[in-house]
Amino acid sequence: YELTQPPSVSVSPGQTASITCSGDKLGDKYASWYQQKPGQSPVMVIYQDRKRPSGIPERFSGSNSGNTATLTISGTQAMDEADYYCQAWDSSTGVFGTGTKVTVL
Amino acid sequence: EVQLVESGGGLVQPGGSLRLSCAASGFTFNSYWMTWVRQAPGKGLEWVANIKQDENEKYYVDSVKGRFTISRDNAKNSLYLQMNSLRAEDTAVYYCATLGAGDWHFDLWGRGTLVTVSS
Repeated sequence: YELTQPPSVSVSPGQTASITCSGDKLGDKYASWYQQKPGQSPVMVIYQDRKRPSGIPERFSGSNSGNTATLTISGTQAMDEADYYCQAWDSSTGVFGTGTKVTVL
Repeated sequence: EVQLVESGGGLVQPGGSLRLSCAASGFTFNSYWMTWVRQAPGKGLEWVANIKQDENEKYYVDSVKGRFTISRDNAKNSLYLQMNSLRAEDTAVYYCATLGAGDWHFDLWGRGTLVTVSS
């Protein structure tokens, strides 16, 4: 099972960044999203498709339908520049997406 | 403080063995499925293995089956990864993490420990 993400997304400060994650019938599974800044451990920003953990800003939102899950960052800030990974389970096998580098220009 | 701290990484020759540990604190360790995730230098995240609270269920990525063993000691609030027959492609930072209930999201992550397999 594979999850495919665009290698990079560029966004201007204050604008909206959308990161897609594509996989066969992904909408039938739960998707989660992780932010990783250079030299740091990943941090979960979305789980169960659209839920935000405590402490994650409201500008992070998620959706999942059909073959695509999407992470949306509204009003993007410079601190949001990072690598983002989607994740889902194929039976009991964990799969991470290929990763997307978000650059805030 | 709620945290996970990995240890045991280092330099090992191809074919060698290494045992990673993950010490949990600040939460009820025996209530959680636990997992190992790795990240090769400059690469993406790769799930490695999961273990149930009572050790009765374990799952592995195909590339480590038969070589790696995940285990835990709930009395010591610790998670382990025994790695045998190591290969160059096992070189990575290894993270331990908790798995959240319901959908197994990767809830709490440690800082990772680096394993380098090289002669």
